[in-house]
Amino acid sequence: QVQLVQSGAEVKKPGSSVKVSCKASGGTFSSNTISWVRQAPGQGLEWMGRIIPFLDVANYAQKFQDRVTITADKSTFTAYMEVSSLRSEDTAMYYCARDPGATPFDVWGQGTMVTVSS
Amino acid sequence: EIVMTQTPLSLSVTPGQPASISCKASYSLLHGDGKTYLYWYLQRPGQPPQLLIYEVSNRFSGVPERFSGSGSGTDFTLRISRVEAEDVGVYYCMQTIQLPLTFGGGTKVEIK
Repeated sequence: QVQLVQSGAEVKKPGSSVKVSCKASGGTFSSNTISWVRQAPGQGLEWMGRIIPFLDVANYAQKFQDRVTITADKSTFTAYMEVSSLRSEDTAMYYCARDPGATPFDVWGQGTMVTVSS
Repeated sequence: EIVMTQTPLSLSVTPGQPASISCKASYSLLHGDGKTYLYWYLQRPGQPPQLLIYEVSNRFSGVPERFSGSGSGTDFTLRISRVEAEDVGVYYCMQTIQLPLTFGGGTKVEIK
């Protein structure tokens, strides 16, 4: 049974960066796409981007292209999502989710709350 | 990008009664491979979303039979035949035919 375990909550200052991790256990990692989804407080779901660890290829939503970097470490079965130049509007819950193909986002991480505040 | 529009924004349902949620895409989700890349998720309060329906009408493992999906091209519907208390939450549709992946705005289902 695949599980995705994310790193803990973060409180950051405006202008700083945050890096959230998502560790997979119990199943294949490299061949599955890992996406990152953002949810601002009380708002809906927003896809940020994804990575295919096997190919080390990442795709991004245009909105996040300039400030978000998604990477993966195949040796530790861990995906990372870094947001730079943080602003208050980045305060949100960040989820990673697995996409094995036919059933996208069938497994989700528990979420990581990032709060940006001076 | 493909815009996904869900209606209604919210729904208050008596237990045992049916419920229906609509999702309209700004572009056809039918791919040349014959598959339609439309999915439904439920996000219960305080939890990450969970997959309910994949490729329009296929129930994911463990999803009760009271959930069903239908539609084609740009118009889709999620139906709950008899709403139960555990069905409370926000329902989202999502498309994966084109990047960026996009979600509908969500439909909040409450129990009367």
